[in-house]
Amino acid sequence: NAGVTQTPKFQVLKTGQSMTLQCAQDMNHEYMSWYRQDPGMGLRLIHYSVGAGITDQGEVPNGYNVSRSTTEDFPLRLLSAAPSQTSVYFCASSYSWQGNEKLFFGSGTQLSVL
Amino acid sequence: KQEVTQIPAALSVPEGENLVLNCSFTDSAIYNLQWFRQDPGKGLTSLLLIQSSQREQTSGRLNASLDKSSGRSTLYIAASQPGDSATYLCAGNSRQSNYKLTFGKGTLLTVNP
Repeated sequence: NAGVTQTPKFQVLKTGQSMTLQCAQDMNHEYMSWYRQDPGMGLRLIHYSVGAGITDQGEVPNGYNVSRSTTEDFPLRLLSAAPSQTSVYFCASSYSWQGNEKLFFGSGTQLSVL
Repeated sequence: KQEVTQIPAALSVPEGENLVLNCSFTDSAIYNLQWFRQDPGKGLTSLLLIQSSQREQTSGRLNASLDKSSGRSTLYIAASQPGDSATYLCAGNSRQSNYKLTFGKGTLLTVNP
């Protein structure tokens, strides 16, 4: 199994550009989520999904959009990139949305917005 | 809002030492708790999961315990090795948080040969 796969690994954007971070898992997990990790701030939840067609906002959703059309994929869209969105982004998935199963992380996307 | 504190923020020990990492929550009504390891430039790997009905979990040289009455968890690493060097993060959830995990900022562990 590949686990949780994120692409790209690195990305540089100019302010105002849009892009999509891809996330796919092959473990048939119902729960998928996006986090950003910033120095001194820890991991913060952006958006999450408890199944295909169901998404909800996390702690820091502004400027990001998600959809979940299949169980496997959960892309994160930056609508109009801002320097404040420079961060490392992680996708994570689990069998359970209640946190009583282990959470599996992708290897991350390092995003710089100039 | 749930806040998670990890103490210490950084720890340096000689190889072979037993050590304890600490994690505390402002909301002591923890439902599930996980300890993760993160290597530089990598994603997080779940090490141990303590489910709502449990008080501790063990895997090899690692033991994690959860005291729900005080909202505190400890990760014990026995006979530390240089390969244990990494950042260790704890994360917990509660019914009040709608089961969303809140992460601590981590403890950076360095094990010196």
